[in-house]
Amino acid sequence: LAKTTQPISMDSYEGQEVNITCSHNNIATNDYITWYQQFPSQGPRFIIQGYKTKVTNEVASLFIPADRKSSTLSLPRVSLSDTAVYYCLVGADYNFNKFYFGSGTKLNVKP
Amino acid sequence: NAGVTQTPKFQVLKTGQSMTLQCAQDMNHNSMYWYRQDPGMGLRLIYYSASEGTTDKGEVPNGYNVSRLNKREFSLRLESAAPSQTSVYFCASSEGQGGYTEAFFGQGTRLTVV
Repeated sequence: LAKTTQPISMDSYEGQEVNITCSHNNIATNDYITWYQQFPSQGPRFIIQGYKTKVTNEVASLFIPADRKSSTLSLPRVSLSDTAVYYCLVGADYNFNKFYFGSGTKLNVKP
Repeated sequence: NAGVTQTPKFQVLKTGQSMTLQCAQDMNHNSMYWYRQDPGMGLRLIYYSASEGTTDKGEVPNGYNVSRLNKREFSLRLESAAPSQTSVYFCASSEGQGGYTEAFFGQGTRLTVV
């Protein structure tokens, strides 16, 4: 199982772009990279998933370099409502039957 | 769509009491999961069920039992509650298994054992 390392916390201000990097040096060939968001008193919510290069949806972008040993979640123009914990997960479908969450990154957006 | 529904939302137990946490999903998903989250911590997998009729231990299974009653329902039982089991419990479900599928989470059950 590929272990992930993220910063414990980050601060930002409203309107800024936030980049959260996740390190996964032992990522396997078939592993996907997935990010979840968790607000206080709620269950985690899927944000974005990718395998290589760049993925973008209406919420965020995910950048994955060629060696795939790290990934960066980019949140454009954050608002106070983006204050949450962000989790990076790495795994594949056929050899991992579960999701493992680390401690995540606590993003605090200030006015 | 209700998604993943957990009951109860809050519960206080005395040490040694037993209880069952209920979880149901209406998305026809094959896989279901139970996690616990302690204050300020990430989620830890207790048990999971890759498909109806199968269950497997996760990272922290001691003190818990599970039942995959049917495709929709996955219950978590505490036979003899201990203060160390005070936590927020989340149930989740996914179409496939593992790291490439999207998991959907319930709102959680906040359990306090005194």
